[in-house]
Amino acid sequence: DAKTTQPTSMDCAEGRAANLPCNHSTISGNEYVYWYRQIHSQGPQYIIHGLKNNETNEMASLIITEDRKSSTLILPHATLRDTAVYYCIVEPRSGSARQLTFGSGSQLTVLP
Amino acid sequence: EPEVTQTPSHQVTQMGQEVILRCVPISNHLYFYWYRQILGQKVEFLVSFYNNEISEKSEIFDDQFSVERPDGSNFTLKIRSTKLEDSAMYFCASSQARQPQHFGDGTRLSIL
Repeated sequence: DAKTTQPTSMDCAEGRAANLPCNHSTISGNEYVYWYRQIHSQGPQYIIHGLKNNETNEMASLIITEDRKSSTLILPHATLRDTAVYYCIVEPRSGSARQLTFGSGSQLTVLP
Repeated sequence: EPEVTQTPSHQVTQMGQEVILRCVPISNHLYFYWYRQILGQKVEFLVSFYNNEISEKSEIFDDQFSVERPDGSNFTLKIRSTKLEDSAMYFCASSQARQPQHFGDGTRLSIL
């Protein structure tokens, strides 16, 4: 599976957009980019995923570069409850049950 | 919104004892997973399960571990003879085919 690189930590002001980058330069054609977050030792929470097109849902937007070597998760109006560790995970689509490989993620702190 | 539920939230067990962690996956999901997270470390994959058999397992999932789907709703992880190093948060997850995994809030296992 492709490896991902994320900044260790980021801060964002409450009400502002939080932009979390992720590098996945060795991603292959059949691999999706998934984002999860973990709030203070709760279970990881699925946020969004994409292959090559930009995606948006009620939680966030995902921007994937044209060469697919990096992506950015955008939380449009961050709140204090968005403080969490955010994980960018590259996952192959082949196979039935797929294991997720979590890295260290990015600690996002939303400041009042 | 349907969710994965795990019981108990906290389990304290003497070293060498058997422990069973229980999970109720989302009802129409067919793929089931266990992960663990030792305090301060990454979330690690243990095992995936589909169609009443193990699909994948990690090196962590040795002969001391087993999984079972004893009925139509529960999915269990059993550790036969617990060790101190088994102390961790254990997360259950479930998914549909090729869909995001959804996690429970975990069971904190403390081995004394």
